[in-house]
Amino acid sequence: SQQGEEDPQALSIQEGENATMNCSYKTSINNLQWYRQNSGRGLVHLILIRSNEREKHSGRLRVTLDTSKKSSSLLITASRAADTASYFCATSGRAGGTSYGKLTFGQGTILTVHP
Amino acid sequence: DGGITQSPKYLFRKEGQNVTLSCEQNLNHDAMYWYRQDPGQGLRLIYYSQIVNDFQKGDIAEGYSVSREKKESFPLTVTSAQKNPTAFYLCASREPAISGNTIYFGEGSWLTVV
Repeated sequence: SQQGEEDPQALSIQEGENATMNCSYKTSINNLQWYRQNSGRGLVHLILIRSNEREKHSGRLRVTLDTSKKSSSLLITASRAADTASYFCATSGRAGGTSYGKLTFGQGTILTVHP
Repeated sequence: DGGITQSPKYLFRKEGQNVTLSCEQNLNHDAMYWYRQDPGQGLRLIYYSQIVNDFQKGDIAEGYSVSREKKESFPLTVTSAQKNPTAFYLCASREPAISGNTIYFGEGSWLTVV
């Protein structure tokens, strides 16, 4: 079963607008990562947030983590047409747990940015 | 060039045949992973290995087998027992926690049953 669930499944916006994607998970995690995938390609790492962090920034990306709600959000500011891709969250289980070492991905959010 | 190399990029299999997808990494990572992705879907974990000579089943291991005889190599065999093998297969490796835990992916292999 999938640990992470992204929401929305698809998002369509205009260039310059902000895009927000959400990820929910079910069990305790060590960290949560966000990835981007262009169609038919491998995934590219965007950002990692540890379970003891609440917010992290990288360029136009902002990630938040709420461990009490078991959820994370990825915000892309001032979007560009080149941001069009699928975005996935991935969770890693805690050391000592049954899912330690296992990386589980959500279903992804398909983002389309119109020029 | 450091990274993960998957081969072949495209593979056609006749029903009843076993095929092996190659995954090689020169990143010196202990942990490696195989995922399956169906069109428009997320990634589902097939097998993972945290160290040489050890591996664990993921969520959809039935019909697949792996080996981890060398640190840099984690081949995946899609057996004839896998009833619906047509998919995009992704191999990944992970940095140790002390280095950041980032996961690196190969470019994927497309498998089609003909």
